[in-house]
Amino acid sequence: QVQLVESGGGLVEPGGSLRLSCAASGFIFSDYYMTWLRQAPGKGPECLSYISGSGDYINYADSVKGRFTISRDNAKNSLYLQMNSLRAEDTAVYYCSRDPRPLDFWGQGTPVTVSS
Amino acid sequence: DVVMTQSPLSLSVTLGQPASISCRSSQGLVYSDGYIHLNWFHQRPGQSPRRLIYRVSNRDSGVPDRFSASGSGTDFTLKISRVEAEDVGVYYCMQGTHWPFTFGPGTKVDIK
Repeated sequence: QVQLVESGGGLVEPGGSLRLSCAASGFIFSDYYMTWLRQAPGKGPECLSYISGSGDYINYADSVKGRFTISRDNAKNSLYLQMNSLRAEDTAVYYCSRDPRPLDFWGQGTPVTVSS
Repeated sequence: DVVMTQSPLSLSVTLGQPASISCRSSQGLVYSDGYIHLNWFHQRPGQSPRRLIYRVSNRDSGVPDRFSASGSGTDFTLKISRVEAEDVGVYYCMQGTHWPFTFGPGTKVDIK
């Protein structure tokens, strides 16, 4: 069965960096676009970025463009999100999912708190 | 960005009674593949969202048939024919047509 497991979240100071990981199993990872989303406390989810199966095509939401970088390692069945210049408003639970249009499976999320 | 609105934002329902949630998009959602990428999600407290409905009206595997959805243009509806205790939580509509894909504010459903 499809499993997505995020890791790497935690407490970081404003201006700091974090790298999130998402370990995928139960499907042919390289066949799928993959997506990062986040959900701030009490808010609806927000799509942040997606990457094609080969890694050739990438898109970002304006809220993270220039600060976050999505990448993948198909040999390791893993998806990554490098987050730089973090701000208080980046505080949220971060989820990975498959293809951004249907968003059929989600991980359990990893919390990120940006605070001094 | 496409703005998704939902109504009501909160719904208190008696067990066994029907419930209906409306979702409206600020622009049309027909994608170049001919499909309308409008999905519905359910989120229980402390859990990640779970997709219930994809492309307007298609139920996901394992979703009870008391859930149905419909819509066209910019107006969409999710209906629960007879609410059960496990249906509590927040329901989100989401458009997957225009990037960035966007979610509605959510409708919180609880039992009266």
